Amino acid sequence: DVKVTQSSRYLVKRTGEKVFLECVQDMDHENMFWYRQDPGLGLRLIYFSYDVKMKEKGDIPEGYSVSREKKERFSLILESASTNQTSMYLCASSAGQGDNEQFFGPGTRLTVL
Amino acid sequence: DQQVKQNSPSLSVQEGRISILNCDYTNSMFDYFLWYKKYPAEGPTFLISISSIKDKNEDGRFTVFLNKSAKHLSLHIVPSQPGDSAVYFCAASISAGDYKLSFGAGTTVTVRA
Repeated sequence: DVKVTQSSRYLVKRTGEKVFLECVQDMDHENMFWYRQDPGLGLRLIYFSYDVKMKEKGDIPEGYSVSREKKERFSLILESASTNQTSMYLCASSAGQGDNEQFFGPGTRLTVL
Repeated sequence: DQQVKQNSPSLSVQEGRISILNCDYTNSMFDYFLWYKKYPAEGPTFLISISSIKDKNEDGRFTVFLNKSAKHLSLHIVPSQPGDSAVYFCAASISAGDYKLSFGAGTTVTVRA
């Protein structure tokens, strides 16, 4: 059974803290993605990676960075968390090479106080 | 600016009846479309897709229709079942091999017994 796991289901952080969200996939997928989901806005792409150490900005990269040191792991970093980054964060992966069906993790609900 | 729009945030339907979810897009370069289903506290899961070379794709109770000239697609669920109660996201990409998906805001479907 294919799986995308995220390190935390719920996280509460304070303004200004550095936050790490971890995502691991066990499908040997080339591509990995970070989205945030907000009411009325759907899923918005923050960053994606199409290979180890490769990354590209999505639609809303401001305030975020990413790291992909290993194929199976993709980390989202909030350098200095702010209250407007309170959201549901979803990680996804896809095989690439003509197959763009994305498989999602369960999400991390981040609250920044 | 959202390129994929789901203008109905919610839909309530009686069990056994048809559910029709609509999706409009603005980018004429989109030619591959997907529907995802999301239960609370879970990540979205792939439901059905359609390429622009087709105008209809069917999978069991789920059928997606594409009207490229109108930049419109719809998802039909027949018959609707209580387990279909979920949020449905429409997504689009420029090709089947494109990494990136653009998502709509989602439609929450409630199936009444």
